[in-house]
Amino acid sequence: NAGVTQTPKFQVLKTGQSMTLQCAQDMNHEYMSWYRQDPGMGLRLIHYSVGAGITDQGEVPNGYNVSRSTTEDFPLRLLSAAPSQTSVYFCASSNDASGSYEQYFGPGTRLTVT
Amino acid sequence: GQQVMQIPQYQHVQEGEDFTTYCNSSTTLSNIQWYKQRPGGHPVFLIQLVKSGEVKKQKRLTFQFGEAKKNSSLHITATQTTDVGTYFCAGPRRTDSWGKLQFGAGTQVVVTP
Repeated sequence: NAGVTQTPKFQVLKTGQSMTLQCAQDMNHEYMSWYRQDPGMGLRLIHYSVGAGITDQGEVPNGYNVSRSTTEDFPLRLLSAAPSQTSVYFCASSNDASGSYEQYFGPGTRLTVT
Repeated sequence: GQQVMQIPQYQHVQEGEDFTTYCNSSTTLSNIQWYKQRPGGHPVFLIQLVKSGEVKKQKRLTFQFGEAKKNSSLHITATQTTDVGTYFCAGPRRTDSWGKLQFGAGTQVVVTP
């Protein structure tokens, strides 16, 4: 199993550009989440999905869109990049395994917006 | 704002010493999870506590969940250089599904040999 994969690993965008961060998992997990990590802020939830076709907003959803057409994939779209979106983005998946909702994280995408 | 607070934000420890990091939530949590992130890496799950007052041990690490399910602690004994990293607590609010976590800002641990 590859676990949770994310592409690209690094990305530089100019203000106003759009792009999609890819996330895929091969563990058949129901739950998938996108977080951003900024210094001193920990991990903040952007969007969340409980299964294919179902998504929900986290605490910092503005400027980001998601969709979940399959169990495996959960792409994050930046509609019009802003310097405030410079961050490290982590995708994670989890499932109810004997009552544990352990989250498996991908390696992250480091995004810089100039 | 952040509803799950962790203290201290930074912890400098001499190798061999013990230390404790604390996690406090403004709302009742269904469970508490702890993660460790090494510098340049991604968070890795350590443990989940579910029951009020629960205590679990993993070798030199002791995790505790408060009676009111609003706070938790991680105690590390005889710190080693391999303990370097940032430790995060996270939990779902009682009204949220268990897959939706709120993370604290983390405690960054630096170990001096």
